[in-house]
Amino acid sequence: QQQVKQSPQSLIVQKGGISIINCAYENTAFDYFPWYQQFPGKGPALLIAIRPDVSEKKEGRFTISFNKSAKQFSLHIMDSQPGDSATYFCAASGLQAGGTSYGKLTFGQGTILTVHP
Amino acid sequence: DVKVTQSSRYLVKRTGEKVFLECVQDMDHENMFWYRQDPGLGLRLIYFSYDVKMKEKGDIPEGYSVSREKKERFSLILESASTNQTSMYLCASSPGLAGGSYEQYFGPGTRLTVT
Repeated sequence: QQQVKQSPQSLIVQKGGISIINCAYENTAFDYFPWYQQFPGKGPALLIAIRPDVSEKKEGRFTISFNKSAKQFSLHIMDSQPGDSATYFCAASGLQAGGTSYGKLTFGQGTILTVHP
Repeated sequence: DVKVTQSSRYLVKRTGEKVFLECVQDMDHENMFWYRQDPGLGLRLIYFSYDVKMKEKGDIPEGYSVSREKKERFSLILESASTNQTSMYLCASSPGLAGGSYEQYFGPGTRLTVT
């Protein structure tokens, strides 16, 4: 019940195209859904996050779409650029539990995105 | 800027050795985490700590232990390294409930090879 399943494992997109990465979760107690971006040789860094009280959140070219009934969420990267080439991880946490959850994250398996010029 | 540093970028150890991985954060964060990252498996939580001397097991604690004697420092210990512990190890910290944020800040990782 703690799993987060992410797809695809790898994605190749042309410059200017739309990149879409999908995640599905099982635990209905999850209430915080961040996406992390990792460049080679670096640790992951928070890209964007959403809570289940909204169905969409947009920050620049990055958008999270959230479907609570389907227990799915996705990352859309509009106008993809070569500089977006990185590994992307979705994650989930049950923050409603407050201190007892400590913000523990369950991560998806990761998607290696390559944007060709 | 939050800075999380890890003691080594690359480490090569022999089977059976005791291995120490050190992590230091400079932002007075409450929570610290150790993950291992393997291709196709994502990041898996080994242990985390929510206060000095306090720790809890994550999803894959077998073969590992941790120590947090000071707030800024969280150590991962491989009691007797085995080849299946060859991996990338990532440390993270977050402000936690007291700090008003659960965003995790990651170090650059230690690539450990056990031969």
